[in-house]
Amino acid sequence: ILNVEQSPQSLHVQEGDSTNFTCSFPSSNFYALHWYRWETAKSPEALFVMTLNGDEKKKGRISATLNTKEGYSYLYIKGSQPEDSATYLCAFYGGSYIPTFGRGTSLIVHP
Amino acid sequence: GAVVSQHPSRVICKSGTSVKIECRSLDFQATTMFWYRQFPKKSLMLMATSNEGSKATYEQGVEKDKFLINHASLTLSTLTVTSAHPEDSSFYICSARLAGGREETQYFGPGTRLLVL
Repeated sequence: ILNVEQSPQSLHVQEGDSTNFTCSFPSSNFYALHWYRWETAKSPEALFVMTLNGDEKKKGRISATLNTKEGYSYLYIKGSQPEDSATYLCAFYGGSYIPTFGRGTSLIVHP
Repeated sequence: GAVVSQHPSRVICKSGTSVKIECRSLDFQATTMFWYRQFPKKSLMLMATSNEGSKATYEQGVEKDKFLINHASLTLSTLTVTSAHPEDSSFYICSARLAGGREETQYFGPGTRLLVL
């Protein structure tokens, strides 16, 4: 069983704050890391697909970095808005097409 | 973007009955579909991988006869929880993938919450 950890488990921030959270995964046999955004009562939505060490991807106010050698990825949200409230999941692919998901970080942005 | 639907979204059934959950890719053909289960405050756990026209590949610890998966077409996969018991109560969610490759994301359905009384 692969160990994929996300921290913190939950996070409350004020509107306008910038925030970040972590996905850690085994540093060996890396294949890919995906980030998903999951709003309540909706389908998880793909945010980023990261495959190369040092990758940095950005979509609007959200960005992600990847360090495969030390086994972590950070997700950053700049100037959080209430609509950013969701659970953010990472999925680690270790040498296969089968993902192992973290438990997610639940983000609540207060107006 | 690609859309995956799942039906029903919520089901309550009596112990001993069977429940079928459908997962459909609405605007694309999915060569592979995945079925996950999520317990409260736990991560998504992969139950099985189904490829169209072939038998599903089940993860260790998942009973094949308990959780029947059928992937009859490129747009539909079904999960049947047979003779459901209260311990089968959970959140079940499917996803579909266009093709292999590590760049390929999964497109998720909205999930089905099953409660077995």
